[in-house]
Amino acid sequence: DIQMTQSPSVLSASVGDRVTLNCKASQNINKYLNWYQQKLGEAPKLLIYNTNNLQTGIPSRFSGSGSGTDFTLTISSLQPEDFATYFCFQHNSWPLTFGSGTKLEIK
Amino acid sequence: EVQLVESGGGLVQPGRSLKLSCAASGFTFSDYNMAWVRQAPKKGLEWVATISYDGSSTYYRDSVKGRFTISRDNAKSTLYLQMDSLRSEDTATYYCARHGGPYGYPFFDYWGQGVMVTVSS
Repeated sequence: DIQMTQSPSVLSASVGDRVTLNCKASQNINKYLNWYQQKLGEAPKLLIYNTNNLQTGIPSRFSGSGSGTDFTLTISSLQPEDFATYFCFQHNSWPLTFGSGTKLEIK
Repeated sequence: EVQLVESGGGLVQPGRSLKLSCAASGFTFSDYNMAWVRQAPKKGLEWVATISYDGSSTYYRDSVKGRFTISRDNAKSTLYLQMDSLRSEDTATYYCARHGGPYGYPFFDYWGQGVMVTVSS
């Protein structure tokens, strides 16, 4: 199975900050990396698919980059509604696997 | 609007069975592969099982093979997960999810709100 490792596990930031979340795959997953946002008690929401494609309706302050094994999610200017947990996810091979998440907290 | 609504969760003793349902609306259910994904309390997400759009193919994670069965009724736009021989480690919120990536990419684009399953004596 492909292991997905996210860092940091917790990130404290302020409204307006630019933040970067990291995700590393245990083997090459090409471009097949997605990012999901999950708020407490809610279902995950798809933000970005295939490394850098913004899902419909997602604000442009979210962006993704990377390839192979190393990927990043960047939020250019944090808004109050962005404080949540973010999971990366690979769909290059089965079983499909998720990272353990980065919790983005208000500083 | 795509909606996925799970039901059937609850408290069950180890070794017993439970069947989850997911009612879909807002899209042509029979056009999409569907899945169950779970999340143990305060843990990450874990893919559980997938079924093809017509029900002809199913896929499971190793830890549930032989115990869980995913199925669907396209006439009712409903997805199911039959869970037998339940273990404490199956305790989680179970989400129904649609495999909706363009060009057949197998990622999840819509999720239900989830249903809690607790396995405990």
